[in-house]
Amino acid sequence: GAVVSQHPSWVICKSGTSVKIECRSLDFQATTMFWYRQFPKQSLMLMATSNEGSKATYEQGVEKDKFLINHASLTLSTLTVTSAHPEDSSFYICSARRSGSPYETQYFGPGTRLLVL
Amino acid sequence: RKEVEQDPGPFNVPEGATVAFNCTYSNSASQSFFWYRQDCRKEPKLLMSVYSSGNEDGRFTAQLNRASQYISLLIRDSKLSDSATYLCVVNTGRDDKIIFGKGTRLHILP
Repeated sequence: GAVVSQHPSWVICKSGTSVKIECRSLDFQATTMFWYRQFPKQSLMLMATSNEGSKATYEQGVEKDKFLINHASLTLSTLTVTSAHPEDSSFYICSARRSGSPYETQYFGPGTRLLVL
Repeated sequence: RKEVEQDPGPFNVPEGATVAFNCTYSNSASQSFFWYRQDCRKEPKLLMSVYSSGNEDGRFTAQLNRASQYISLLIRDSKLSDSATYLCVVNTGRDDKIIFGKGTRLHILP
């Protein structure tokens, strides 16, 4: 099966600090990775689509200068929440799609819980 | 009309019963469809893809109705472990974007 890992799984930080979350596809190459955010009892909301070697495409309302995405290799994408504030506290989940058909399923990482104090 | 709509539930169903729920989508050009399952405070996990001809995996059956633009999920002989939120996922075929429904909560009662 396709395995996607995320690190760290939990982050607690002070307001104003930056937090970096890594998403790795462990046993397949992923030309496209996706970053989602989920608030309690809410649905997953797509934040951005990350393609290897190019700039990420951000969804409307998501600040690209605040949520920096880097997809430097076919197995790694990173999301950096810059100057995090309490309202950024959420469950951040990445997913990865195998190289190939755009209609392939996405495989999700286990998520990162961010709590900003 | 929302792009992907689901009845949020909760569906409270006795163990062993059959339960079904639907998901409607607005974009007739949508290309592919999936059901994901999400347990509380966990990431979504793929349950099954939904094919045009319908498909079955054990106690789970998924169907697609393109004319009426909905997909369905049927769970037979429900187990306590089936309690979760079931997410309908649609690849709209537009800008390579997939859309998640808000999910249907299912509680299987002992």
